[in-house]
Amino acid sequence: AQKITQTQPGMFVQEKEAVTLDCTYDTSDQSYGLFWYKQPSSGEMIFLIYQGSYDEQNATEGRYSLNFQKARKSANLVISASQLGDSAMYFCAMRESNTGFQKLVFGTGTRLLVSP
Amino acid sequence: DTEVTQTPKHLVMGMTNKKSLKCEQHMGHRAMYWYKQKAKKPPELMFVYSYEKLSINESVPSRFSPECPNSSLLNLHLHALQPEDSALYLCASSQDRASGSYNEQFFGPGTRLTVL
Repeated sequence: AQKITQTQPGMFVQEKEAVTLDCTYDTSDQSYGLFWYKQPSSGEMIFLIYQGSYDEQNATEGRYSLNFQKARKSANLVISASQLGDSAMYFCAMRESNTGFQKLVFGTGTRLLVSP
Repeated sequence: DTEVTQTPKHLVMGMTNKKSLKCEQHMGHRAMYWYKQKAKKPPELMFVYSYEKLSINESVPSRFSPECPNSSLLNLHLHALQPEDSALYLCASSQDRASGSYNEQFFGPGTRLTVL
């Protein structure tokens, strides 16, 4: 079975600083995908970034980048130039099937607080 | 339109009530999902519909009954719930293409359910 581990229950960062949120995973599949979602207090899950297991380059989306280290089975999210609006819960997730629909397994999440 | 809508936003019901949660998307997605999220926990998958057919039921109690009347609509019928079923219920949708795409899930804002 696949497993996602997020070891940081909470992280603090000052505005405009960069922050790294950790995610490690465990799978025996060769083909898999890793997602990061943001969940503000309003409840909606917002897709941030995706990394496929065969992607050679680290994924980037604006201020978000994914530090993918396949041998270490880690997929850390890096947020550059933090903003107050980045304060939220962040979930790392893994795609568990190769079917068209996505069965996601989520980590326990990291709560990020950005201070002025 | 990249939005998933859910109604109602909040629902309070007694253990003998029958109610329904509604989810709608107009992105042409053919996979739709129900998740349950308890406070300070990650979302847990309940059901997946692919092309209006139930593809995954994660051993959810029969007091939760999903329905997909068409490709844009997903309902969750609730009957004889227990207080421990109080949670945030999230709906999501995604493309349903097997290869060459990561098919990220788009989430709705959720329905906060309280069972008295």
